[in-house]
Amino acid sequence: GIQVEQSPPDLILQEGANSTLRCNFSDSVNNLQWFHQNPWGQLINLFYIPSGTKQNGRLSATTVATERYSLLYISSSQTTDSGVYFCAVDSSGTYKYIFGTGTRLKVLA
Amino acid sequence: KAGVTQTPRYLIKTRGQQVTLSCSPISGHRSVSWYQQTPGQGLQFLFEYFSETQRNKGNFPGRFSGRQFSNSRSEMNVSTLELGDSALYLCASSLGLPDTQYFGPGTRLTVL
Repeated sequence: GIQVEQSPPDLILQEGANSTLRCNFSDSVNNLQWFHQNPWGQLINLFYIPSGTKQNGRLSATTVATERYSLLYISSSQTTDSGVYFCAVDSSGTYKYIFGTGTRLKVLA
Repeated sequence: KAGVTQTPRYLIKTRGQQVTLSCSPISGHRSVSWYQQTPGQGLQFLFEYFSETQRNKGNFPGRFSGRQFSNSRSEMNVSTLELGDSALYLCASSLGLPDTQYFGPGTRLTVL
């Protein structure tokens, strides 16, 4: 089955810094999402982005499907950005999403 | 609109028992997916339902089952609980098209 790798596994930033999170996948995908899991366990959808670029405030994402990767950019990070960021991919178009292992982000005040 | 709700939020069971978890999707959403999250295996897909039909199933034993009702609410059942079933169980709803999924707060199951 498809493999999903996220990097880096852990990231510590000072408030105000920028960061780039990467998601590599081993096969072509039909659907791709980015999620943020907050310290209380709630998963929040950030982007549905099977291809192209999207922006939402301080966050933006780019998926280059032909090269099998997606990037999540966080600018001017805040302590509330702390948590785990997951990408999830569906390679079969059947909504069977495979999650990466996540990037654990800690933003220091 | 109200978000995805899951009940109960916490549950403690003993080995061999069975458990039923409930998920109410966002109004108008017809697709409900279930996931298991553990520290060792991460987030794993259990199954997805659309209009009362299971469209896809993950690699879990038959002890894990689910169903969806005509109002799109979904339940999942785990029979003959094992210690390894201790996990956070998450459900997500979407309109059913390839689209954004919205997750509930999860049910944390502890098996003793």
